[in-house]
Amino acid sequence: AQSVTQLDSQVPVFEEAPVELRCNYSSSVSVYLFWYVQYPNQGLQLLLKYLSGSTLVESINGFEAEFNKSQTSFHLRKPSVHISDTAEYFCAVSDRDYGQNFVFGPGTRLSVLP
Amino acid sequence: DTEVTQTPKHLVMGMTNKKSLKCEQHMGHRAMYWYKQKAKKPPELMFVYSYEKLSINESVPSRFSPECPNSSLLNLHLHALQPEDSALYLCASSHQTGAGNTEAFFGQGTRLTVV
Repeated sequence: AQSVTQLDSQVPVFEEAPVELRCNYSSSVSVYLFWYVQYPNQGLQLLLKYLSGSTLVESINGFEAEFNKSQTSFHLRKPSVHISDTAEYFCAVSDRDYGQNFVFGPGTRLSVLP
Repeated sequence: DTEVTQTPKHLVMGMTNKKSLKCEQHMGHRAMYWYKQKAKKPPELMFVYSYEKLSINESVPSRFSPECPNSSLLNLHLHALQPEDSALYLCASSHQTGAGNTEAFFGQGTRLTVV
């Protein structure tokens, strides 16, 4: 079984400042890793995924995440945030070999302040 | 087309009503999911269908009844719900490889209120 920890339930940050949202996972098997973003009253949108290959993955809107196997982490970063980045961010894992489920972390509420 | 479509967007129902939530995808995904999300919480898995067969039921009460009529459609039939069942119900689908599943695509959800 897998589990996901997101240590920060809320992260307030000023506009144009950098941000890091932390994600750690626990699993006895190899995993796929994901970051999803959820805006109010909407579904989840895939932001980033790590399936294999380069451990640094990037999104089209400036977010990046790095898979660190030794630290079992997949932290999300952005060098300069915008007001529009205010949302709930969920880290998720899936069993790489037999997974039929996506296990989500508790979420981090990113609030970008003017 | 990377869209998962859920209808209705909002639903208010009484505790004696019977209603259904619908979900549709045309990405050729063979894994489909129902998740329940309460306010300020992560999605919780309810059911997984793999190749139109129920593969995971996370001990969901029988007042929730899933159905997968074909590879593109997923329904959730609701009967005799309780007020605590009020939540956002999310449908998702994913490509099922020989190994695990790749990323899930989510619909916009149905906001259900039980009165």
